[in-house]
Amino acid sequence: GENVEQHPSTLSVQEGDSAVIKCTYSDSASNYFPWYKQELGKRPQLIIDIRSNVGEKKDQRIAVTLNKTAKHFSLHITETQPEDSAVYFCAAGYQKVTFGIGTKLQVIP
Amino acid sequence: KAGVTQTPRYLIKTRGQQVTLSCSPISGHRSVSWYQQTPGQGLQFLFEYFSETQRNKGNFPGRFSGRQFSNSRSEMNVSTLELGDSALYLCASSLDSRNEKLFFGSGTQLSVL
Repeated sequence: GENVEQHPSTLSVQEGDSAVIKCTYSDSASNYFPWYKQELGKRPQLIIDIRSNVGEKKDQRIAVTLNKTAKHFSLHITETQPEDSAVYFCAAGYQKVTFGIGTKLQVIP
Repeated sequence: KAGVTQTPRYLIKTRGQQVTLSCSPISGHRSVSWYQQTPGQGLQFLFEYFSETQRNKGNFPGRFSGRQFSNSRSEMNVSTLELGDSALYLCASSLDSRNEKLFFGSGTQLSVL
């Protein structure tokens, strides 16, 4: 089955700085890689996703990159704001979606 | 459109008891997945259903079971509760059979005393 590793587990950045979260996956057949954001006390919500036929995708201040050869993908958040503080999960898998352990991002005003 | 609804929101049980959690997916969604969330363990996959069929199961003991009904609503059951079962149980629904773009419910917070 799919195995997803995510790091770092915690990340603190100053407001306005960039944040990068990295994930690796094991199943070369995986072709869809979503990222979910979970604010404190709330449900996880999809914020961005990427398919294996695309190397990079951007949506305003967030972007995701994918290296299929190396089996890793990353989330980039630029110009971080306090409302970006949350736990971020990467995921992979077909039908059975496997999540990474999560990264707790703290943006310090 | 109503989101994914999970009931109850909170549950307190004692060891040895059993519990049933319910999940109503977004209208039109036929796929439901269940996850256990604990601090430091992330989202652990329990099982996944599509059109009343369990297609995938995670590495949990047989005390954890589930089912899906013809209206796509799903239930999960945990028998002989243990202290370590205390967790937030999340269900998620998806429009497609590949489970891309999961929509999560607010979860059921289970405490086992």
